[in-house]
Amino acid sequence: GENVEQHPSTLSVQEGDSAVIKCTYSDSASNYFPWYKQELGKRPQLIIDIRSNVGEKKDQRIAVTLNKTAKHFSLHITETQPEDSAVYFCAALSYDKVIFGPGTSLSVIP
Amino acid sequence: DAGVIQSPRHEVTEMGQEVTLRCKPISGHNSLFWYRQTMMRGLELLIYFNNNVPIDDSGMPEDRFSAKMPNASFSTLKIQPSEPRDSAVYFCASSFGQNNEQFFGPGTRLTVL
Repeated sequence: GENVEQHPSTLSVQEGDSAVIKCTYSDSASNYFPWYKQELGKRPQLIIDIRSNVGEKKDQRIAVTLNKTAKHFSLHITETQPEDSAVYFCAALSYDKVIFGPGTSLSVIP
Repeated sequence: DAGVIQSPRHEVTEMGQEVTLRCKPISGHNSLFWYRQTMMRGLELLIYFNNNVPIDDSGMPEDRFSAKMPNASFSTLKIQPSEPRDSAVYFCASSFGQNNEQFFGPGTRLTVL
C-alpha cells in the first residue's frame, strides 16, 4: 500500500524566515496531495492541496510543489509568523484512501 | 452548517467498559472517516465509509473495534471491551468524495484507566 514519509519531524525557524517541509510517497498512481495544519489541541485543517495535473500551487505565503517523477512534494511557508507554529501533515490519495504522513512540528521563534 | 459534530468531547472510562463515540458529518458529504491520534503513532485512519458503506476497515486495530453508519447523517465507533492502550484522540472527518478536503470534527479525547 501507499507509504508517505515526511521530513523533518521537527523544525524551528526565526520569525520572518522560510520553512520547507518535504514528503515522499510510494504509489505512482496517487493524484491528490493535501496539506493539513493542526494547532495544539485543535483539529487538523486543510491549508492547501495540489492535484497531479499541476506542478505548483500558491496561496499567499504558502506554496506547494509536486514532482511526480521523483514522487515527492513540498510545502513552503514564507515570512513565517508565530501563528504558523503547529504540526503540519502531508497526505497522498492512494486507491481512494488518503494516507497521512507522520507530521512535522513547526516552531516559529519570535 | 455547524461542521462535523462529535460526542462526547471527553470520555473517561475504566478498562473493560464499552465506549461509543458518535459523529454527525456535514450535510451533503458522502464520505466519512474515523481517525485515531496518539503521540506514538500519529494520525491513523481506522475506517472510512462511502455512501454509508464501509469501504476500508484495514486500519481497525482488532475485533474490539467496530464502526457503523446507519444513515448519511450519523456514525458510531464502538470499542468493547476498552483497554488503556486505546487512550487517544479520535477524530471523525467528512468530505464530498475521497479526493476532496476532509473536514475534521473537534475530536473525542478518550482515557481508559
